[in-house]
Amino acid sequence: EAAVTQSPRSKVAVTGGKVTLSCHQTNNHDYMYWYRQDTGHGLRLIHYSYVADSTEKGDIPDGYKASRPSQENFSLILELASLSQTAVYFCASSDLAGNERLFFGHGTKLSVL
Amino acid sequence: SQLAEENSWALSVHEGESVTVNCSYKTSITALQWYRQKSGKGPAQLILIRSNEREKRNGRLRATLDTSSQSSSLSITATRCEDTAVYFCATDGDTNAYKVIFGKGTHLHVLP
Repeated sequence: EAAVTQSPRSKVAVTGGKVTLSCHQTNNHDYMYWYRQDTGHGLRLIHYSYVADSTEKGDIPDGYKASRPSQENFSLILELASLSQTAVYFCASSDLAGNERLFFGHGTKLSVL
Repeated sequence: SQLAEENSWALSVHEGESVTVNCSYKTSITALQWYRQKSGKGPAQLILIRSNEREKRNGRLRATLDTSSQSSSLSITATRCEDTAVYFCATDGDTNAYKVIFGKGTHLHVLP
């Protein structure tokens, strides 16, 4: 079974601070994604990547940066965290392009105070 | 507006009953996926049904796809308490082949 590991599992951050969420996959998957989950909104795509050293904007990229230094690692960076970024963040990977099976991590619960 | 959307926010059934979750979508798609998310966990794929398929089964689960009405359904038979979860449908992004777009989810509660 494909493995996607997120760290930390939860984090409390202060408004205006920098937050980095990390994701590591051991599946040899080329495609990686960051989603945000809020009650009533389901899962919304923030950034994604289909090759190392390259990232693409998803549907809600404002306030977020992404970094893909290697095939295995994909980070989500909040340079200036805001209250509205309190949410659960999920990383996912897939081995094929397009609408194919995504393997998700357990999520990171971020609270910005 | 959502590219894919489940038709019910929440459903409740008693253990052993059958239940159907419906999804509608707005664009032409290559495939539609159904995911289940249990409390405190990430979503896990249940079924992927491609645009040239009409039905797909996985144990007690059965998914259908109607491209003419742009709709899909996920049926669960002989429900169990452990089927309690949020169920999402997911489809292609409208202009980008790399994107997988999720609906808001249907909360299913299976009561003892």
